Amino acid sequence: EDKVVQSPLSLVVHEGDTVTLNCSYEVTNFRSLLWYKQEKKAPTFLFMLTSSGIEKKSGRLSSILDKKELFSILNITATQTGDSAIYLCAALLNRGSNYKLTFGKGTLLTVNP
Amino acid sequence: KAGVTQTPRYLIKTRGQQVTLSCSPISGHRSVSWYQQTPGQGLQFLFEYFSETQRNKGNFPGRFSGRQFSNSRSEMNVSTLELGDSALYLCASSPATGGETQYFGPGTRLLVL
Repeated sequence: EDKVVQSPLSLVVHEGDTVTLNCSYEVTNFRSLLWYKQEKKAPTFLFMLTSSGIEKKSGRLSSILDKKELFSILNITATQTGDSAIYLCAALLNRGSNYKLTFGKGTLLTVNP
Repeated sequence: KAGVTQTPRYLIKTRGQQVTLSCSPISGHRSVSWYQQTPGQGLQFLFEYFSETQRNKGNFPGRFSGRQFSNSRSEMNVSTLELGDSALYLCASSPATGGETQYFGPGTRLLVL
């Protein structure tokens, strides 16, 4: 059974802190690892990682994938209250001519002023 | 471009009833995927439609069905509602099939009493 596990499940930090969110996966026919940020309702796309060891950056957010150890991390530096959200990771898997997207349960990040 | 829209935003039904949810993708996007999100199970993939054809399906019972129209708008139907169907139903649109770079709508919150 394909599994995506995120840790921690929740995290409370103060503004200005740096956080690292973890996502590990045990899946077959892995294609990519996706990160989303979910505030209120709609998840918004952050990163797609396909190759190992190549860091992707967007402002204060960065992410990297390790395909040997089967995990990814999402770093947020100098956190702000607006970073408070659920962060979801998902493994995109090949299934013949189709695909499967398996999500972790998310990490709830709360950034206090 | 306007984002993904979903209607209705909130819905209350009773057990045994059926419900139809609607999703209008971003203009030009041909793929619409549906997800169910619950606190216990997280985000789970229901199915994907691309060019009016179901391209991919998750592990949900046949009570969950969908369709896509020629303008790419999609509907999801759940028949014989059960209490466990209470969830946030999200749809996501994408320019192409494949699971990458999906843009999510705000969701429909369904409560089954």
